[in-house]
Amino acid sequence: KAGVTQTPRYLIKTRGQQVTLSCSPISGHRSVSWYQQTPGQGLQFLFEYFSETQRNKGNFPGRFSGRQFSNSRSEMNVSTLELGDSALYLCASSPGLAWTTDTQYFGPGTRLTVL
Amino acid sequence: AQSVTQLDSHVSVSEGTPVLLRCNYSSSYSPSLFWYVQHPNKGLQLLLKYTSAATLVKGINGFEAEFKKSETSFHLTKPSAHMSDAAEYFCVVSDRNAGNMLTFGGGTRLMVKP
Repeated sequence: KAGVTQTPRYLIKTRGQQVTLSCSPISGHRSVSWYQQTPGQGLQFLFEYFSETQRNKGNFPGRFSGRQFSNSRSEMNVSTLELGDSALYLCASSPGLAWTTDTQYFGPGTRLTVL
Repeated sequence: AQSVTQLDSHVSVSEGTPVLLRCNYSSSYSPSLFWYVQHPNKGLQLLLKYTSAATLVKGINGFEAEFKKSETSFHLTKPSAHMSDAAEYFCVVSDRNAGNMLTFGGGTRLMVKP
């Protein structure tokens, strides 16, 4: 089975722009979770989608949004980019909801740099 | 609210010696606990998970962890370190009463000296 794929792998944007990141889960997985990883704040949960519905959301401003399509692929959007949004954005998929006993499988991440 | 504290940000061991990475958690319910490893420029990989079955959990690559409720700890150990174990390790807790969120510890960077 192919693993979790994220595109693009690297992205450079300027302040004020918006960006869309994509995540394709492992085939058959219905849950996709997004995380932000920075040196200062570590790994922080952004949100989780299951069967096209947002099931959980972390403590991030409304500039961060996401959606999930019927094939379980997910996109994350960040509007009005700020310098502090520079981070590695990780996507993880699992067969069921992330808090269950199902293992989450992580993608390699998208490295976003905001100038 | 749930939280995870990894007591050491960096741990250095010699190849062939034991590894101990410490993790304490705070949770209002019976938590699920995980350890993940992240190698440079790679995604996270699950090492092991505790989900209220046996308190001693065995994972991949010779790692294991013991859930101690009285101490609210979930320390990760390995009897003999290998050079390939050098990476960052994350302790993670999930708690139904915390909105089903996964909360990550700050990470421990493990260095293995030859």
